[in-house]
Amino acid sequence: GQNIDQPTEMTATEGAIVQINCTYQTSGFNGLFWYQQHAGEAPTFLSYNVLDGLEEKGRFSSFLSRSKGYSYLLLKELQMKDSASYLCAVRDSNYQLIWGAGTKLIIKP
Amino acid sequence: DAGVIQSPRHEVTEMGQEVTLRCKPISGHNSLFWYRQTMMRGLELLIYFNNNVPIDDSGMPEDRFSAKMPNASFSTLKIQPSEPRDSAVYFCASSLADAPESSYEQYFGPGTRLTVT
Repeated sequence: GQNIDQPTEMTATEGAIVQINCTYQTSGFNGLFWYQQHAGEAPTFLSYNVLDGLEEKGRFSSFLSRSKGYSYLLLKELQMKDSASYLCAVRDSNYQLIWGAGTKLIIKP
Repeated sequence: DAGVIQSPRHEVTEMGQEVTLRCKPISGHNSLFWYRQTMMRGLELLIYFNNNVPIDDSGMPEDRFSAKMPNASFSTLKIQPSEPRDSAVYFCASSLADAPESSYEQYFGPGTRLTVT
C-alpha cells in the first residue's frame, strides 16, 4: 500500500527553528510537495523536491532523500503566523498525489 | 488572477437532499481535482479531470457522488441523496500539467463547507 507518515502535532517557540519530518512508501516517485494550511483555509503550495538535496526559499527549506523515502520541512525564525498544518504529499508513478495527514504546528510566544 | 472559485462557500442541507458544488478553475489550467477533507480522514482525492476528461474517480465514495466537467472553465460535484456522513469541506483545485516533469503544483479554491443534518 501507499503510506505517508508525519507527526500529528508539534510545538515550537517564536523565533526558533522547527523541522517537520515526512517519510513515505509509494508506488514510484515523481516529486514531493509541502503545503501549508491555516485553520479554516485552503492548502497553499510551499515547496517541491524531485531531486535529492535541500531547496531553500526564504525562511522555509525542504530536504529530500529518495533512497531513504524521507523529507523534512525546516522553518526558521518562526513567527506566530506560521501556526498552521503542514501537509506532505508525494506524486507516485501514475502522477497521482498521495497526501499525508498533516502536522499541526503550534507556535508559542 | 481570481484563483480557483468555488460556490457555495457554505451549504447546510437535510439528509436525502441533493447537493451540487461548483468550481471554476484558474484560466489556462488543464487539470482539475475534487477533494474532501475531514478531521478523521484528512484530505482525500475524490476525482480528477485532465482536459475535461475524468481520469481517475476511484476516490469517489459511492454511486451517490458524481462529477462533471462540461468545459474547461466549470465543474460540478453532486451528491444525491446526501447523508450526514458526507459532512466535510470539499475543495476544488486546478493545475497546469504541461509536462510530467514539471512541478505543476495544485492551486486550491477556498472550499465548500457542507453540513448534512
